[in-house]
Amino acid sequence: GQNIDQPTEMTATEGAIVQINCTYQTSGFNGLFWYQQHAGEAPTFLSYNVLDGLEEKGRFSSFLSRSKGYSYLLLKELQMKDSASYLCASSDSNYQLIWGAGTKLIIKP
Amino acid sequence: NAGVTQTPKFQVLKTGQSMTLQCAQDMNHEYMSWYRQDPGMGLRLIHYSVGAGITDQGEVPNGYNVSRSTTEDFPLRLLSAAPSQTSVYFCASSYSETGANVLTFGAGSRLTVL
Repeated sequence: GQNIDQPTEMTATEGAIVQINCTYQTSGFNGLFWYQQHAGEAPTFLSYNVLDGLEEKGRFSSFLSRSKGYSYLLLKELQMKDSASYLCASSDSNYQLIWGAGTKLIIKP
Repeated sequence: NAGVTQTPKFQVLKTGQSMTLQCAQDMNHEYMSWYRQDPGMGLRLIHYSVGAGITDQGEVPNGYNVSRSTTEDFPLRLLSAAPSQTSVYFCASSYSETGANVLTFGAGSRLTVL
């Protein structure tokens, strides 16, 4: 079947680095998305990976290994505003998205 | 540019009532979709559309109807509300008709069915 797993909750300290992992089993895999969702708000796009490797965008980076069915989102120099849920989603052979339940990231001062 | 606009933001219904959640986008996106988000679960696709006049079912379509008469609008109708439909609903659109590109989400509609 098709499945996405990511940790339910993580805690990190302001100024530190955190890595949020996502594993997937998706038939006809067509790419991996990361979205950020603040409490009570809509998800917003962070990154998209379709090839193996690291994509860097400022303080945020996303990595993909297609052979391992694995991705991570790396957040550097954490700020309080990074407290949010981070949603991992894979695209299948029909380009439909399969969503993980999200990782709630708590940033402590 | 308003993006994706959803109304209402909050709604309380009684079991058996019907209602329509409105969604409009001004980005000329071909792809539009409705998701529901429940605690501890990933976003689940209810219905989607790849263009005006074309709709299709997603993962959890039962109890919901959609139509797409224009590129801009994609309303979601609850035919006879049930407590299991208590959820947060998001409309999302994408310029790609496959939806395999960046989704722009509306602000969400929180529905409670008593």
